[in-house]
This record gives sequence, structure tokens and C-alpha cells, in this order.
Amino acid sequence: DVKVTQSSRYLVKRTGEKVFLECVQDMDHENMFWYRQDPGLGLRLIYFSYDVKMKEKGDIPEGYSVSREKKERFSLILESASTNQTSMYLCASTVAPGLNTEAFFGQGTRLTVV
Amino acid sequence: DAKTTQPNSMESNEEEPVHLPCNHSTISGTDYIHWYRQLPSQGPEYVIHGLTSNVNNRMASLAIAEDRKSSTLILHRATLRDAAVYYCILSVSGGYQKVTFGIGTKLQVIP
Repeated sequence: DVKVTQSSRYLVKRTGEKVFLECVQDMDHENMFWYRQDPGLGLRLIYFSYDVKMKEKGDIPEGYSVSREKKERFSLILESASTNQTSMYLCASTVAPGLNTEAFFGQGTRLTVV
Repeated sequence: DAKTTQPNSMESNEEEPVHLPCNHSTISGTDYIHWYRQLPSQGPEYVIHGLTSNVNNRMASLAIAEDRKSSTLILHRATLRDAAVYYCILSVSGGYQKVTFGIGTKLQVIP
């Protein structure tokens, strides 16, 4: 059974903390994505990566960075967490560029910044 | 990027067919039409995708208009488990474009 696994389902962090959200896929996919989901706004793309050590900004990259040191792992980093980064974060992966074939999503991490 | 427009919400009775519409009037010739759904407290899951011809799989059917400016996801017999948010998105073959999901259609299935 193919899987995208996010390290935490729920996370509570304090304002100003550095936060790491981890995502691992076991399908040998080239492409990985980080989205955030907020009520009324749908899923918005933060960053994506099409190869190890490669990354591209999505629609809302401000306040975030990413790391892809190994093919199977894509990390989202909040350098200094703020309350407006309270959200559901979703990781996805695909075998083909973009979202042109079936994308597999993780279960999501609900992050609360207090 | 080409955009899609979907109704915010729809209702269906259990065991009846459901037709979920999506408008994409600015679609280009290389855009694929994809549908995903998101069950409560889960990440989105793939449903179906197509380019020009109608498509069927075990989950649903996708009917694409001849001019490709609209499409319809068809659930042949709605069950309570089909209650979810359904997203229609466009994706260009071979590109690394930024695919963004809109707010989708929230489908309520009435027992």
C-alpha cells in the first residue's frame, strides 16, 4: 500500500519557535509538495520539489522554507512561527511532473501556533 | 494559470446519482482535468482524470464537454461515504506549474 506519511497529526508550538514538519513517501516519487489548507481558501501551494536538493516556490512561500536532502523526505520549516501560520498542512507526492498523474497525500498536520 | 469554478455545496440522496459540475472556460489544449476528494479529517485522494474523452473507473465517471470548457464528475450511486469536498483542478502535461486547489464542492449525502 503506497504511503505518504507526515510525522505528526497535531502540533502545538509557541510564537517564535522554529518548527519542522516532516513528510516521507515510500513510492520513489520525484515530486513532492507542501500545501496549507484554511477554511474558505482551499489548498494553497507553499513549495514543491522535483528532485533532491531542488525546490521551487509555490503561491505562498513567505515565512516558510523547505529541505529535500533525500528523495523520500521533504521537510517544511517555519523559521519563526507566527499565529497566522496556524493551519492544516498537507504533503503530497507524484511520480510525474506537476500534478499530472495521481497525487498521493498525507493525512495532514494540524499546527496551532500560540 | 487556468482556473476552475465549482458550486460551493450540493446535496444528494443516498443511492441516487450525483453530477458535480466544474467550469474551466480558459482551459488550454494541454490541460488535463483532475478530480480529487477530501473526506473529513483526511488528506485529498485522487478520483479520476481525463483530457478529452469521457473516462470511467471504479470510483466515478468523468464527462468532458466537447469544447472542454466544462466537465462533470458522476457518482453513479451516492453512499454516505461519498460525503466529502470534491476538487476539480487543471494540470498541464509535463510542466512544473503551480497547481492550486480551490475551495471545491462540499457534497452532503442524505440518508
